[in-house]
Amino acid sequence: KAGVTQTPRYLIKTRGQQVTLSCSPISGHRSVSWYQQTPGQGLQFLFEYFSETQRNKGNFPGRFSGRQFSNSRSEMNVSTLELGDSALYLCASTLEGVKNTEAFFGQGTRLTVV
Amino acid sequence: TQLLEQSPQFLSIQEGENLTVYCNSSSVFSSLQWYRQEPGEGPVLLVTVVTGGEVKKLKRLTFQFGDARKDSSLHITAAQPGDTGLYLCAGISNFGNEKLTFGTGTRLTIIP
Repeated sequence: KAGVTQTPRYLIKTRGQQVTLSCSPISGHRSVSWYQQTPGQGLQFLFEYFSETQRNKGNFPGRFSGRQFSNSRSEMNVSTLELGDSALYLCASTLEGVKNTEAFFGQGTRLTVV
Repeated sequence: TQLLEQSPQFLSIQEGENLTVYCNSSSVFSSLQWYRQEPGEGPVLLVTVVTGGEVKKLKRLTFQFGDARKDSSLHITAAQPGDTGLYLCAGISNFGNEKLTFGTGTRLTIIP
């Protein structure tokens, strides 16, 4: 079966701009989580969506937001980009959440803010 | 805040040697997972350990969950160049949150 697809793979944006990243989970999976990976902070949890509802949220500012559509595809948006937002953004797809089912990660979107 | 500290942060060893990576926390987790991530890819799940004291083997990799479910170790026997990568532990909390708390990571390089 097809894996988790994240688009785009690479992005370069300017400070102050906004960006939208997309994640298509594995067919049948209803939970999508987003993580930010940086060399200094490692992998940090952003938020998790299940059946179009945000079920969990990490400790990121309100500039980071997301949504999930009825087909389980998810988008995350970052507004007013800062240099520190440069990172690899990963999404993870699970059937119903990480507590009970295996997480499959996409290849990530590499965001560079200049 | 739950933190998972991994050690060592970097490890470079010769092919054929053995190694152990540690993952420690002051918090209790309901389960703990180990992932390997290669450049340009997302993390891939290697194993999930659930019971305190549990030991799981995956070919040359042995994973152990501490008795108190606060720590874990990954032992690789006779390391091979294909084992090179970033190893991440990740804890799943007792408290209902559907999130993975990742460790700080161990970057392993196996020299042929």
